[in-house]
Amino acid sequence: GAGVSQSPSNKVTEKGKDVELRCDPISGHTALYWYRQSLGQGLEFLIYFQGNSAPDKSGLPSDRFSAERTGGSVSTLTIQRTQQEDSAVYLCASSSDESGRWETQYFGPGTRLLVL
Amino acid sequence: AQKVTQAQTEISVVEKEDVTLDCVYETRDTTYYLFWYKQPPSGELVFLIRRNSFDEQNEISGRYSWNFQKSTSSFNFTITASQVVDSAVYFCALSEASDYKLSFGAGTTVTVRA
Repeated sequence: GAGVSQSPSNKVTEKGKDVELRCDPISGHTALYWYRQSLGQGLEFLIYFQGNSAPDKSGLPSDRFSAERTGGSVSTLTIQRTQQEDSAVYLCASSSDESGRWETQYFGPGTRLLVL
Repeated sequence: AQKVTQAQTEISVVEKEDVTLDCVYETRDTTYYLFWYKQPPSGELVFLIRRNSFDEQNEISGRYSWNFQKSTSSFNFTITASQVVDSAVYFCALSEASDYKLSFGAGTTVTVRA
């Protein structure tokens, strides 16, 4: 079946602009996660969705970052007033999470964001 | 505090050599899961294995094997008879009972030379 998809694959933007990153999870997966991978910080958790609600936003680095999920499916991560330190690969993952926690998370190919 | 430590930053081997990747974790939970993911040059994280804290049996899948030892808080990964296609960054990760997220180690870059 289809895996997690993300768009765009690459995004180059100017400092101060807003960007939207999209994630389509595996069909039927109720849990969705966003992570960020950067050279200095490694792989960091950003936010977790169960259905359309986000019980854990603890990893969002600042109030410039927000995310939403609609219809229990597609999620959008928005970064406002981008800064150069936002340059990273943004990874989305989904899991079935039917039995609670610790279901295997399957990752998408990521969006490479470069802020000039 | 770092929950998952992968002390080896880079490992370079010649094809057909075995390579072992170390992973040491830290948690106060008695129930947790450990994972290994592979990230080839294409960038996508590929799931390899999941192991829960109550199952210390070693596992073998083809040329891959995993050694889980709770006594030393380690979950090591061995690639037997390595191939060029094994060249990638390998990440060890922990998921705790008290949390939803994966905590990743820094990753080990494996380069297999022909």
